[in-house]
Amino acid sequence: KAGVTQTPRYLIKTRGQQVTLSCSPISGHRSVSWYQQTPGQGLQFLFEYFSETQRNKGNFPGRFSGRQFSNSRSEMNVSTLELGDSALYLCASRRDKGPYEQYFGPGTRLTVT
Amino acid sequence: KNEVEQSPQNLTAQEGEFITINCSYSVGISALHWLQQHPGGGIVSLFMLSSGKKKHGRLIATINIQEKHSSLHITASHPRDSAVYICAVRSGGGSNYKLTFGKGTLLTVNP
Repeated sequence: KAGVTQTPRYLIKTRGQQVTLSCSPISGHRSVSWYQQTPGQGLQFLFEYFSETQRNKGNFPGRFSGRQFSNSRSEMNVSTLELGDSALYLCASRRDKGPYEQYFGPGTRLTVT
Repeated sequence: KNEVEQSPQNLTAQEGEFITINCSYSVGISALHWLQQHPGGGIVSLFMLSSGKKKHGRLIATINIQEKHSSLHITASHPRDSAVYICAVRSGGGSNYKLTFGKGTLLTVNP
């Protein structure tokens, strides 16, 4: 079974630009969660999508958004990039509802200059 | 005070030693996760537990719900165990759950 894949793996953007990251979950997993990891704040939960609906959201500004498609693939978008958005963005998928084990992708390393 | 505290922050051991990493939390939880992150970023979920103890190979995770404390043990440590170990707790119910992560413990196992 293929794991969680994320594209692109590395990205360099300029302040003010926007970026879209993609995540393909493990086949059969309908829940996709997104996380931001920075040296200062560690891992932080961004949001979770399930069956094309945002089911839960962390404490991030509205510049961070996401969506999920009918095939469970998910994208997250960050608009008006700030230097502080430089981070490793990870997505994870899991089976259906409940606190099931999550499977993480390799992450997208975003650098904002 | 963070809702999830891990100790120690850094740990250096010699190959073969028994390792313990601790996680304390201050909220009621429905589940606790132990994650492993190697240099380069990839995260692997090691355990998810809500009570008792789980074992996988040389890794053992325990949780004491009353004391709001979990430990991750590594027996016969090996240099390939060198990684950051992160504790995460899930609190709240239904679709309004919250995931909170510890800052991680950097483990270095020397040969």
